[in-house]
Amino acid sequence: DGGITQSPKYLFRKEGQNVTLSCEQNLNHDAMYWYRQDPGQGLRLIYYSQIVNDFQKGDIAEGYSVSREKKESFPLTVTSAQKNPTAFYLCASQQGNTDTQYFGPGTRLTVL
Amino acid sequence: SQQGEEDPQALSIQEGENATMNCSYKTSINNLQWYRQNSGRGLVHLILIRSNEREKHSGRLRVTLDTSKKSSSLLITASRAADTASYFCATVHGGATNKLIFGTGTLLAVQP
Repeated sequence: DGGITQSPKYLFRKEGQNVTLSCEQNLNHDAMYWYRQDPGQGLRLIYYSQIVNDFQKGDIAEGYSVSREKKESFPLTVTSAQKNPTAFYLCASQQGNTDTQYFGPGTRLTVL
Repeated sequence: SQQGEEDPQALSIQEGENATMNCSYKTSINNLQWYRQNSGRGLVHLILIRSNEREKHSGRLRVTLDTSKKSSSLLITASRAADTASYFCATVHGGATNKLIFGTGTLLAVQP
């Protein structure tokens, strides 16, 4: 899992509540990514950030928000607008001049 | 969706046998990567092959790329029980960003 940490590993929330997932990296990587993984599917990109204070929507950004105030941190907020938030969420980082991504251990979010 | 497809979806073999999984994609690429995911964990990068390469080796892994067919294969030789995991291909396409587009994955089970 490299130098990327995600917390918590498991998260339970009631429907209608916002929840923030943490992602921290000590690899000094410029770019960071958030993916969602559902059973039987590959990873789908939610948001990504190539530099501090800048981020872009991925393929499934609706109902999610992010911030990138520090190079080391890229928190993801799952809002009540996300219709089906129960999933496995993966954070990754990447050095700017390479194409290889390093993944955190993931957070499994269950909305009750 | 640009998401690639992998086949088979699931593969069960005996220890010592070779495992081959395939990946197809839709548009031209800069490179193609293979990642491994143990159950409930993050992804780990295995190997990267560039669009001008046809074959690459890393230990017991052999990757081939056929850009005319828009396909790649991953061969794991002399498989071990510890190779049991899901394997994903991911492609990087042209453009200003180096986002990864993930395939749907192959679940490999190696029976001891």
